[in-house]
Amino acid sequence: GQNIDQPTEMTATEGAIVQINCTYQTSGFNGLFWYQQHAGEAPTFLSYNVLDGLEEKGRFSSFLSRSKGYSYLLLKELQMKDSASYLCAVRRGSTLGRLYFGRGTQLTVWP
Amino acid sequence: SQTIHQWPATLVQPVGSPLSLECTVEGTSNPNLYWYRQAAGRGLQLLFYSVGIGQISSEVPQNLSASRPQDRQFILSSKKLLLSDSGFYLCAWSVAGKGEQYFGPGTRLTVT
Repeated sequence: GQNIDQPTEMTATEGAIVQINCTYQTSGFNGLFWYQQHAGEAPTFLSYNVLDGLEEKGRFSSFLSRSKGYSYLLLKELQMKDSASYLCAVRRGSTLGRLYFGRGTQLTVWP
Repeated sequence: SQTIHQWPATLVQPVGSPLSLECTVEGTSNPNLYWYRQAAGRGLQLLFYSVGIGQISSEVPQNLSASRPQDRQFILSSKKLLLSDSGFYLCAWSVAGKGEQYFGPGTRLTVT
């Protein structure tokens, strides 16, 4: 099976930087994905890492260390609209693209 | 561009009633298709996935079933709903061989 762990909740203030961690244990690892989900809505794709290192996309960056089974999502210049749940998901190479999701981290951004 | 549709958006059904949720994808061919359920306070649980017409794989034993009668149509069904079937049902698609999955708007099901 897959063990994917991320903090349940985090809070931060507008303009700040926040790092959301995700650890995983899985066989046949073939990529880690981050999704954003606003309350009552479907998840939207944010980023994808398959090799070690940092991927940057505007205010959002994602990092992966395969040897440590660890990833983080970094959000800069936080805005109120960034308040959402952030889902970490792992893909296993043997499973035709199936993703296994963590429970999500609920981020609240305060003014 | 690709779009994914799900209906209905919300549904309230009594225990023991049947269920049919439909998902269609536009703007792509031969997508991989997925059904997920998200129960309150829990993560996304993969229920079924399909790599082609008539090809369905089940992740979790339950009283639900899925079918893919056409390339871009994916249907989730149940003959008799249970209270525990309540949740947010999400359909997703991906390009075959690629990882990113794109989700539809979801169906919020309440079984009473």
